[in-house]
Amino acid sequence: ETGVTQTPRHLVMGMTNKKSLKCEQHLGHNAMYWYKQSAKKPLELMFVYSLEERVENNSVPSRFSPECPNSSHLFLHLHTLQPEDSALYLCASSQVLGHTGELFFGEGSRLTVL
Amino acid sequence: QKEVEQNSGPLSVPEGAIASLNCTYSDRGSQSFFWYRQYSGKSPELIMFIYSNGDKEDGRFTAQLNKASQYVSLLIRDSQPSDSATYLCAVNGGGQNFVFGPGTRLSVLP
Repeated sequence: ETGVTQTPRHLVMGMTNKKSLKCEQHLGHNAMYWYKQSAKKPLELMFVYSLEERVENNSVPSRFSPECPNSSHLFLHLHTLQPEDSALYLCASSQVLGHTGELFFGEGSRLTVL
Repeated sequence: QKEVEQNSGPLSVPEGAIASLNCTYSDRGSQSFFWYRQYSGKSPELIMFIYSNGDKEDGRFTAQLNKASQYVSLLIRDSQPSDSATYLCAVNGGGQNFVFGPGTRLSVLP
C-alpha cells in the first residue's frame, strides 16, 4: 500500500446510525487532516492533527468525532448525522515543515445520509 | 476570515491553446501556494507549488506568483482534453493552515 488510503470508499447510513471512516497514510508524514467537500463549495477543513495532537477544529458539529491513535491512522466517527452531511470526506497528510509541506489526499469516502 | 477566490468557470479553451487560471487571496501573510487538479469523482492531486514571487515552470505548467497583488495563476500550455478537470488553488499561511478556493472548472475542447 502506498500514499493515503481511505475506507470505506462509499457509505450510506441512516440518521440514527453510527459509523466510522478510516484513513491510513504510508508516507511517513506527521500531520493528518479531515476535509469535507460538498457540491459547488470549497474544501472545508474539519480537523487537523499534528504529531497526534489535534491542532484545528473548525467549529465542526459534535456529531463528527475525530480520533488519531498514531501518526499513520486517522478516524472520523459519525453519529446521528443529518442529510446535509452527505458529502465527500477527504483525508490528507503532510509533513510538518513550517509552510512548505504540501497535502497528499486520499481517494475520499463518499457519504450519503438518508 | 481568510479567503481564496477563483472564477468557478467553466473555462473553455480549444485543444493546443493556453489555459490561464487565476486565484486571489486575502491573507497577506500567506507563504506558500499550491495548485491541485481534481478530476470528477476523484481526489485532488498536486500539480505545482510556488513560494517566491515570479514564475515557476514544470513541463507544460507555469505558476506565477505576485505577493504584492495577492495573486497567483496557473498557465497550461498546449492544453489537452485530458487537462479537463477542476483546478483548486490552495494557500498556506503557516503550519497546517491550508485554505482552498472553490476551484475553476476547465474544459479543453478537441
